Amino acid sequence: DAKTTQPNSMESNEEEPVHLPCNHSTISGTDYIHWYRQLPSQGPEYVIHGLTSNVNNRMASLAIAEDRKSSTLILHRATLRDAAVYYCILNFGNEKLTFGTGTRLTIIP
Amino acid sequence: DAGVIQSPRHEVTEMGQEVTLRCKLISGHNSLFWYRQTMMRGLELLIYFNNNVPIDDSGMPEDRFSAKMPNASFSTLKIQPSEPRDSAVYFCASSFGGALGEKLFFGSGTQLSVL
Repeated sequence: DAKTTQPNSMESNEEEPVHLPCNHSTISGTDYIHWYRQLPSQGPEYVIHGLTSNVNNRMASLAIAEDRKSSTLILHRATLRDAAVYYCILNFGNEKLTFGTGTRLTIIP
Repeated sequence: DAGVIQSPRHEVTEMGQEVTLRCKLISGHNSLFWYRQTMMRGLELLIYFNNNVPIDDSGMPEDRFSAKMPNASFSTLKIQPSEPRDSAVYFCASSFGGALGEKLFFGSGTQLSVL
């Protein structure tokens, strides 16, 4: 399985943008990049995914480097409800999604 | 749609007892995943099914664990006999078409405590 590297934790002020980095230097050309988050006492929740182009949805934006060796999840305006563990995962074909340790995001009021 | 429904939300049992966890998939989904989460090991995939057929059970810890899909919308995860080290939160998730580029929808989990 291709591996991802994320910082263990990050802090951000409420109502400011948050950029969550993910390194995946061994990514293959067909690996999708998925982001999930897990709020306290809940199951993981899908955030966004992409292959090569940047992606936007109502929750976040995904910026993918041109060489695809890294990506950044962008929360445009963090709220207290965005405090969670964010997982960056690579996946190809019908392979299972394997979760790493993720980044614990703390939002400061 | 009510989403993925797991029951029970909490289960406390004694070592040696049989435990059965239940999961109802989202209507129309055809893939089912069982995960286990602990502080030490994080989220681990135990087994996943596609169209009711187990595809990969390499994450199942040992023979004490078994999972079934008696029909397209329902799954059970059974632990027999249970041990204290099985204490964890167990999540199931469903999707349409497998994990490729498709969202996984997770249930709220079952908190299992084996005393």
